[in-house]
Order: sequence, then structure tokens, then C-alpha cells
Amino acid sequence: KQEVTQIPAALSVPEGENLVLNCSFTDSAIYNLQWFRQDPGKGLTSLLLIQSSQREQTSGRLNASLDKSSGRSTLYIAASQPGDSATYLCAVDSGGGADGLTFGKGTHLIIQP
Amino acid sequence: EAGVAQSPRYKIIEKRQSVAFWCNPISGHATLYWYQQILGQGPKLLIQFQNNGVVDDSQLPKDRFSAERLKGVDSTLKIQPAKLEDSAVYLCASSKTGTATNEKLFFGSGTQLSVL
Repeated sequence: KQEVTQIPAALSVPEGENLVLNCSFTDSAIYNLQWFRQDPGKGLTSLLLIQSSQREQTSGRLNASLDKSSGRSTLYIAASQPGDSATYLCAVDSGGGADGLTFGKGTHLIIQP
Repeated sequence: EAGVAQSPRYKIIEKRQSVAFWCNPISGHATLYWYQQILGQGPKLLIQFQNNGVVDDSQLPKDRFSAERLKGVDSTLKIQPAKLEDSAVYLCASSKTGTATNEKLFFGSGTQLSVL
């Protein structure tokens, strides 16, 4: 059974800093890994999707990497802004569309102005 | 493009009562998912539909939860009778085919359920 762990559970940094969120998973037989953002009282917004054959994906100030063999992914946020404050969730697709996604518990990020 | 619509946004009920949630996915999306998110946890898949058929309902507590997607478009999730531990946010998501390996999921805003 796939398990996803995110470290740290919470993080508070001053505005402007670069930061890294970590995600690990137990079964390396995955189709893809996705990073989501969740704002309080809202649903999830997909940020980046990395297919199993890829090493990284970039979108603006966000960069996600994937090391499938070691079961790890990182989300790098450059030049953090207060608007980046949210919970970031990592999710793994082990079923190629079926079985849904397995989520971590998330990292609650606060960017101090 | 309209997103995934869910209603109601909030619901407060007493234990042993029944409740229903509604979801309308993005137009043309074949796959619809219901997830349960307990406070402080990541979402957990309850049921997945491909058009109007069930793909996976292995984590759905079938003694009290039921879901349907009769015409392959919108869906209803019902809980009867509700228990205290059902307090959670119920999220609906959709994807275009549900079978592609590079396909993103789109989530609705969720229904926050409190069972007293």
C-alpha cells in the first residue's frame, strides 16, 4: 500500500526567502506525482505534475523534482511572497488513473511579510 | 471554463441524521472522484466513477455511504446515518479521461460537514 509523507508539517519563513518542501513515498512504481495548493476553506489547485519518466517540472517561481528510485520529490519555491501562504499537498498516482491519488498530510506554509 | 461545482458549502447535522452532497464536474470530464478530507489529513479517495460506472469504491463505507452518477454527469454522495467521525470536508474532483498518466485533477471547493 502506497504511503506518502511530507516534511515539514509546518513552516514559517520571512518574505523573499527560497524554500524547499519535501515529499517521500514508499512504492516507487508510480505513474506521476502532483503538487497541489490548498487555501483555507477551499479546494485543491494543481500546481505541477511530474510524470514518472521526468525529473522535474517548472512553473514560474515553482520547481518540482522527482527521484523515483529513492521515492522522493521536492517542491522549490523561489523568492517567497505572502500570497504563497497555504497548505501544499503532494499526491502520488500509483494506478495510472484508477485508484485515485494517495495524498500526504501536507505542509502548512506561512510567509511572513 | 467553469470549474467543478459543489453544494452545499457547509452542512451541520446531528448524528444519525442523513445528508447529501452534490457535484457537477467540468463539462466533458469522464471521470469523477469523491474524496474525504479530515482536518489535518490529506484527502482520501472514497469512490471513483468513469462515466456512470464505478471504477473503485474500496474505501467507501458502504454500510452508510452511497454515491451515484446516473447520467454520467453530475453526482450525489449520501451518508445515512451520519456518525461523529464523518465530520470532514468532502471534495469532488474530475479529470478528462481518468486513464492518461499525465492528467491533472480539478477539485471543487468542497462541502464542510459537521456532525454533532
